Amino acid sequence: EDKVVQSPLSLVVHEGDTVTLNCSYEVTNFRSLLWYKQEKKAPTFLFMLTSSGIEKKSGRLSSILDKKELSSILNITATQTGDSAIYLCAVGHAGGTSYGKLTFGQGTILTVHP
Amino acid sequence: GAGVSQSPRYKVAKRGQDVALRCDPISGHVSLFWYQQALGQGPEFLTYFQNEAQLDKSGLPSDRFFAERPEGSVSTLKIQRTQQEDSAVYLCASSLNGLGHTDTQYFGPGTRLTVL
Repeated sequence: EDKVVQSPLSLVVHEGDTVTLNCSYEVTNFRSLLWYKQEKKAPTFLFMLTSSGIEKKSGRLSSILDKKELSSILNITATQTGDSAIYLCAVGHAGGTSYGKLTFGQGTILTVHP
Repeated sequence: GAGVSQSPRYKVAKRGQDVALRCDPISGHVSLFWYQQALGQGPEFLTYFQNEAQLDKSGLPSDRFFAERPEGSVSTLKIQRTQQEDSAVYLCASSLNGLGHTDTQYFGPGTRLTVL
């Protein structure tokens, strides 16, 4: 059975802290790993990772994939209260009966206090 | 352009009622997905369309759930004889290209269904 596990499940930090969110997966036909940010609305796309060891960066957020370890991390530096959200990790499938769908982890709830 | 839109945003139904949830994908997007997100959980896959063809409905939890996309654009998720366990947020997502690889999926705001 396909599985995506995120840790920690929740995290409370103060503004300015740096956080690292983890995602590990066991899936068939791996194609890509995606990170989304979910506030009280639609999950918004952050990153898609397909190649191991290549860091993707957007402002204070960065992410990297390790296909050998079947995992990914999402880093947020100099956190702000606006970073408070649920961060979702999802794995995209390349083919077979799971083609097209995303398998999500349960999410990490990040709370940033001023 | 406009993103994925869903309606209604909130729906309260009495147990046993039928409901219909609508999704308008991003214009030109070939693929459309429905997910169910229970409180405190990540979204779970329900079904997938490529244009009007429903290619995967393996995630639909029972035969009370039915989805269609007759003209390859707007999609409707119908739940018959709703039960309390159907209470969840129903998310719709679309992606540009359904062939050959998994594209980035863009999500709508969801419909929060509460069954009393």
